[in-house]
Amino acid sequence: GAGVSQSPSNKVTEKGKDVELRCDPISGHTALYWYRQSLGQGLEFLIYFQGNSAPDKSGLPSDRFSAERTGGSVSTLTIQRTQQEDSAVYLCASSFPWDNEQFFGPGTRLTVL
Amino acid sequence: GENVEQHPSTLSVQEGDSAVIKCTYSDSASNYFPWYKQELGKRPQLIIDIRSNVGEKKDQRIAVTLNKTAKHFSLHITETQPEDSAVYFCAASIQGAQKLVFGQGTRLTINP
Repeated sequence: GAGVSQSPSNKVTEKGKDVELRCDPISGHTALYWYRQSLGQGLEFLIYFQGNSAPDKSGLPSDRFSAERTGGSVSTLTIQRTQQEDSAVYLCASSFPWDNEQFFGPGTRLTVL
Repeated sequence: GENVEQHPSTLSVQEGDSAVIKCTYSDSASNYFPWYKQELGKRPQLIIDIRSNVGEKKDQRIAVTLNKTAKHFSLHITETQPEDSAVYFCAASIQGAQKLVFGQGTRLTINP
């Protein structure tokens, strides 16, 4: 089957605009994760979904960041009033609920001018 | 919360030699330790993982060792090849907590 997909692959926006990033997990994976990777850095956890609920939102850096998941499948990460420091690659991963192994999507490269 | 430290940040080895990357973690409750390989512009790919009930795991040229007492784990790549050049990330997770806490990455370069 298909792997984790993300769209768009690249997004350039102006400071202050809102952006939406989409993640489509592997079919059957009820666990979904968002991470952020700044240039040359490691991956920083943002939020974790189990089904449609988010038991761990501890990594969201500010209230400008939010995420939702509907139908236990597709997830959207929204960043409001984008700032230049939001520029990064946003990676989504999914897994079976009983398994730690996470499969990553190709990421969305966000550039805030 | 959990903190993972990874060393070295860059590593250059001759083709055919071995490479070792080390990570330490802070939370003794962590029990799952994956290693991901990320080639330039690509997604992270799991290459090997180990759980806390074993001390070593091997898959062809790649091995991982875990020392729970010292809270550190290492990736060993033998007979390195040019295609091993990439950034490698270690991570740690607590069963049930799900999220992975990553190290800062090691850029491995294999010199022909």
